[in-house]
Amino acid sequence: EADIYQTPRYLVIGTGKKITLECSQTMGHDKMYWYQQDPGMELHLIHYSYGVNSTEKGDLSSESTVSRIRTEHFPLTLESARPSHTSQYLCASSDGRYNEQFFGPGTRLTVL
Amino acid sequence: AQSVTQLDSHVSVSEGTPVLLRCNYSSSYSPSLFWYVQHPNKGLQLLLKYTSAATLVKGINGFEAEFKKSETSFHLTKPSAHMSDAAEYFCVVSETGGFKTIFGAGTRLFVKA
Repeated sequence: EADIYQTPRYLVIGTGKKITLECSQTMGHDKMYWYQQDPGMELHLIHYSYGVNSTEKGDLSSESTVSRIRTEHFPLTLESARPSHTSQYLCASSDGRYNEQFFGPGTRLTVL
Repeated sequence: AQSVTQLDSHVSVSEGTPVLLRCNYSSSYSPSLFWYVQHPNKGLQLLLKYTSAATLVKGINGFEAEFKKSETSFHLTKPSAHMSDAAEYFCVVSETGGFKTIFGAGTRLFVKA
């Protein structure tokens, strides 16, 4: 079944740790996105990709980085986590003319 | 340029009464419009979409929305609210054939028993 997956769903870590949030999709979509969302707030685009070896920064400045080596995989990395990175991170993919986006379940990150 | 305005940050209704969540947009291009729902600690789920076909769009769970170009609106409605409808709703505009996608700030729907 075509879907989009994110792991882990919840992560609690200490300041200064390096972390990678995983996102994979089996839809064959070229476009993928990372959003940051604080509880009860709007979504902010932090990274996107048009396809393999294509990555761009989004509207919200972020200290995270992304890579797109395979179509189905779009991991997000924080080299040194800080409490200000505490948030929910949502991954999405889309294809076609209308940019209908399909979302993963999200990763809720807490940095102590 | 594109923008989306959700006119209410919170809407409260009683179970069994109609729901109206308001969304206005602006777009320099022919837009595609979407409504998504987000339940607590979950990702976003597509409710319905407008992509330049019929202006009255029916979605899942009894929701529908009408695209009104003259009013630049895309309001979401449901005839009868259910407790399970309590969630955050996002109106989204996208550039048809392009890439740019803009999310509204969200409307939280409360449903009272």
